[in-house]
Amino acid sequence: DIQVTQSPSSLLASLGERVTITCQTSQSISNNLNWYQQKPGQAPMLLIYYATSLQTGMTSRFSGQYSGRSFTLTITSLEPEDIANYFCLQHYSAPQYTFGAGTKLELK
Amino acid sequence: EVQILETGGGLVKPGGSLRLSCATSGFNFNDYFMNWVRQAPGKGLEWVAQIRNKNYNYATYYAESLEGRVTISRDDSKSSVYLQVSSLRAEDTAIYYCTRTATEGPDYWGQGVMVTVSS
Repeated sequence: DIQVTQSPSSLLASLGERVTITCQTSQSISNNLNWYQQKPGQAPMLLIYYATSLQTGMTSRFSGQYSGRSFTLTITSLEPEDIANYFCLQHYSAPQYTFGAGTKLELK
Repeated sequence: EVQILETGGGLVKPGGSLRLSCATSGFNFNDYFMNWVRQAPGKGLEWVAQIRNKNYNYATYYAESLEGRVTISRDDSKSSVYLQVSSLRAEDTAIYYCTRTATEGPDYWGQGVMVTVSS
């Protein structure tokens, strides 16, 4: 199985701050990684697919990058509505998807 | 607008079984693969099962940890997908999510349905 290690597990940030979340995979998966946002009691929403592509309708504050087995989600300037849980998913080994453990983003 | 709604959760005794339903609308259901994913309390997300569409002969795939106890099915006429789980254990307690799968992986998700296995 492809393991996905996500960090940090929680993050305190201030409004306007640049936020970065990382996922590292146990083997090369090319760009087959997505990022999702989930707010309490709501369905997860796809933010970034194929590591760098912004899902239609999502704000350009979100961006994704990758290098080798390391993937990052960046929020350029934190807004109140960005407070949520974030997780990554690798779909290289579809349908045996594996997930990062999640990052809880909170306001400082 | 894509909508996905899971139903059928609840409290089940160990050893029991449950059938979860996922009703969808807002897209051509026949074109998509569908998945179930679950999240146990305080744990990470776990992929459970996938069913492909008619073009792929409705092929099904299961997580190794659950194989033999789960069955995924779909009814294209109702734009719905189902998950039957049997021989339920406490560790099956989780929120179960239904997701649509595009070429880029799971894109739309439902809000999830809670399944609690307890005596």
